[in-house]
Parts: sequence; C-alpha cells; structure tokens
Amino acid sequence: AQTVTQSQPEMSVQEAETVTLSCTYDTSESNYYLFWYKQPPSRQMILVIRQEAYKQQNATENRFSVNFQKAAKSFSLKISDSQLGDTAMYFCAFMKQNTGTASKLTFGTGTRLQVTL
Amino acid sequence: GAGVSQSPRYKVAKRGQDVALRCDPISGHVSLFWYQQALGQGPEFLTYFQNEAQLDKSGLPSDRFFAERPEGSVSTLKIQRTQQEDSAVYLCASSFGLNYEQYFGPGTRLTVT
Repeated sequence: AQTVTQSQPEMSVQEAETVTLSCTYDTSESNYYLFWYKQPPSRQMILVIRQEAYKQQNATENRFSVNFQKAAKSFSLKISDSQLGDTAMYFCAFMKQNTGTASKLTFGTGTRLQVTL
Repeated sequence: GAGVSQSPRYKVAKRGQDVALRCDPISGHVSLFWYQQALGQGPEFLTYFQNEAQLDKSGLPSDRFFAERPEGSVSTLKIQRTQQEDSAVYLCASSFGLNYEQYFGPGTRLTVT
C-alpha cells in the first residue's frame, strides 16, 4: 500500500513571493505518477502539475514547478510569484502505473495555503 | 460536457434515509472514480469503473454503499440507511484511460442529521 504525507497543515506567503509545499511518499512500486492538486474554497479539485517517476527532469507548469527526489521519495511543489488566486488547499497524490486497469489516487492530508497582500 | 458534473451539490438526509448521488463524467472518459472526502482530510478512494464494469470496490466502507454505471457513462452512488458518519463530500473523477490524470467534479456535500 502507498502512503502520502504532507507535514505542513498550513502555510502563508505574501503576494509575489515564492513558497514551497512539502510532500513525501512511501511505496514499493517502481513505476508511478505524482500529482499536485489544488482545491479552492469552491471545492473543485484542479490538477496543478504531474510528474512521471521515470522522468529525471522536474515538471514545470508556468509558475508551478516540482522538486522530485525519487531516492528520497520526496515531491515538493514550488509556487513562484504567488497570487491571491493561489489561496487554496493543496493535495499531493500518488498513482501507480498500471496495465489493464486504471489506478486510484492516494492523497495526502493537504496543506492550506494562504496568500496575503 | 466541458467538465465533470455532479448533482445534487448539497444533500441533507435524515439518519436512515437512502440517498443517490449522480456523476456525469467528461464525454469519452472510460474510467470513473468515486472518492469520499471528510472535513479537513484528503479524498479517499471508494470505487472505480472502467466503462460499465466496476473493477474495484475495495474502498466502499460498508454494504450500505452501492455504485453503478450501467451504460458506461453516468454513474450513481447510492447510500442506504444513511448514518451520521456518512456525512462528507463525495467526489467523482473521470479520466481518459490508463495512466491519465483524473479530472474532478465539484462534489456533493452530504449531511446526515
């Protein structure tokens, strides 16, 4: 079974600053995917970024980038130039690579990010 | 449609009532998932469909929970004889196929009184 741990329940950052959210995971799988999802107060879960475990290059998506350390089983999210609209719960999630059937997501407990003026 | 839709958005049920929650996935998405999200927690997996086949129901917490997707599109999650511990947000997600990211609906907030 996989576990995902987010050790920062809450974080705060000023607008235009940079913030890093931490995530560690535990798995015996070799092939898997990692995701960061954002859940604003409106509740709709939105995909922020995806990382394939077989790729050494860290994924980036505009102001969002990850630091993927496979050996350490660490997957942190960096948000640059923070904006008020980034205020949300952020969930780290794990999905093992499958053949034949799709895989469920295993989520961490989330980090509540508040962006302030 | 443009995204995953769920209805109703809010449901209040008295303990012991049956409820039915609906999910309309993105058109063409063969995989459909249900998750339960308790207050302040991350979503937890309930069940998974590939087209109309329910391939994994290992996350359903009791035999009061039942899900179906008879034509491989719309899915319904039914909870019989609701209990207070069933109060949560129920999220539906769909994906194009294997190893693709999942897209979530807005959820149904169920409150059992």
